[in-house]
Amino acid sequence: ELKVEQNPLFLSMQEGKNYTIYCNYSTTSDRLYWYRQDPGKSLESLFVLLSNGAVKQEGRLMASLDTKARLSTLHITAAVHDLSATYFCAVDMKAGGTSYGKLTFGQGTILTVHP
Amino acid sequence: SQTIHQWPATLVQPVGSPLSLECTVEGTSNPNLYWYRQAAGRGLQLLFYSVGIGQISSEVPQNLSASRPQDRQFILSSKKLLLSDSGFYLCAWSVSWAGGEKLFFGSGTQLSVL
Repeated sequence: ELKVEQNPLFLSMQEGKNYTIYCNYSTTSDRLYWYRQDPGKSLESLFVLLSNGAVKQEGRLMASLDTKARLSTLHITAAVHDLSATYFCAVDMKAGGTSYGKLTFGQGTILTVHP
Repeated sequence: SQTIHQWPATLVQPVGSPLSLECTVEGTSNPNLYWYRQAAGRGLQLLFYSVGIGQISSEVPQNLSASRPQDRQFILSSKKLLLSDSGFYLCAWSVSWAGGEKLFFGSGTQLSVL
């Protein structure tokens, strides 16, 4: 059974600081996704990482994937209040082949950025 | 462009009552469709997925069922709701690209069973 674990589960940051959210998964997979969710809202796709060593950046967020370590990171640079949300990583249940979007999600990291 | 519609946004139902949540997708054909549930504001769990009309796969045993009567319509149902069915239900559709599947989520339905 594929397990996906995020840490920390709660993150309180000051504006302007840097921090990293970690996502570990238990079995081989070559596709990892990061989503953002605002309170009471749906999920917004942030990044799709498809291969070992993949790095993607959008604004103050940067995601990377190490398939050998089964680890993905979401790095936040110079945090601002607008980044406050819950962040989820998710992993395809199948390695290679067709996955049909059957994702296993981490528990989520609740990020709060304060002045 | 593709859009996904999900309704209602909020639903309060008594225990033992039936349930019907509907999801439709526009702007694409033969999408893969999914129902996910998010309990207590935490991680999502895949409930059902469908790769075509009348083709439903269930991921976890439960009190719910799903149907796909039309290509772009996906329905989540229950004959008798339980308290444990409360949660945030998200419909999603996916598109294949560059070797992967990209998931797009609907706006969600917050279901409270009392």
